[in-house]
Amino acid sequence: AQKVTQAQTEISVVEKEDVTLDCVYETRDTTYYLFWYKQPPSGELVFLIRRNSFDEQNEISGRYSWNFQKSTSSFNFTITASQVVDSAVYFCALSEPMNTGFQKLVFGTGTRLLVSP
Amino acid sequence: EAEVAQSPRYKITEKSQAVAFWCDPISGHATLYWYRQILGQGPELLVQFQDESVVDDSQLPKDRFSAERLKGVDSTLKIQPAELGDSAMYLCASSVNRGLDDEKLFFGSGTQLSVL
Repeated sequence: AQKVTQAQTEISVVEKEDVTLDCVYETRDTTYYLFWYKQPPSGELVFLIRRNSFDEQNEISGRYSWNFQKSTSSFNFTITASQVVDSAVYFCALSEPMNTGFQKLVFGTGTRLLVSP
Repeated sequence: EAEVAQSPRYKITEKSQAVAFWCDPISGHATLYWYRQILGQGPELLVQFQDESVVDDSQLPKDRFSAERLKGVDSTLKIQPAELGDSAMYLCASSVNRGLDDEKLFFGSGTQLSVL
């Protein structure tokens, strides 16, 4: 079965520091998708990125960047020049095929990021 | 921007009572999901609907939980009777199509349930 591990339970940084959130996954599928979601204190999960297993190019979106390495089954997330508004819980997730032909998301346990002024 | 609506935002109930949560997905989204998130853990799928049909409820404790999406639009998740271990955040999500592996899910703000 698919599994997502986020070993960092909580990370505290000071504003403007760079921070990397780790994600390691396990799957037997050759085609799969990886996701990152942000959960601010308000509760809803906000989609950040989706990555196809065949696309190992790193991606950058503003202060956010993602490093996908199939060789180590990792999909790490870096925030550059962190801001207080980045404080949230961040979840890594992996698509898992179901017997019905549909897919579901398997989430990691999340990493709480605290950015102080 | 369209949002997934959930109510109530918070619910406190006593053990053995019945509770119900409501979700209104983004208009036009065919797939609706109910997830449960226990404190300190990631969300886990309880049930998935495609239009009005259940496509997966393998993780739904069917002795006490039920879910419906009668007209293929909004949905209700019910727990009867509630147990202490049901205390969690219940999140609803929707997506455009049939839950394809590359689909983006849109989540609501959830219902925080506390069972006393």
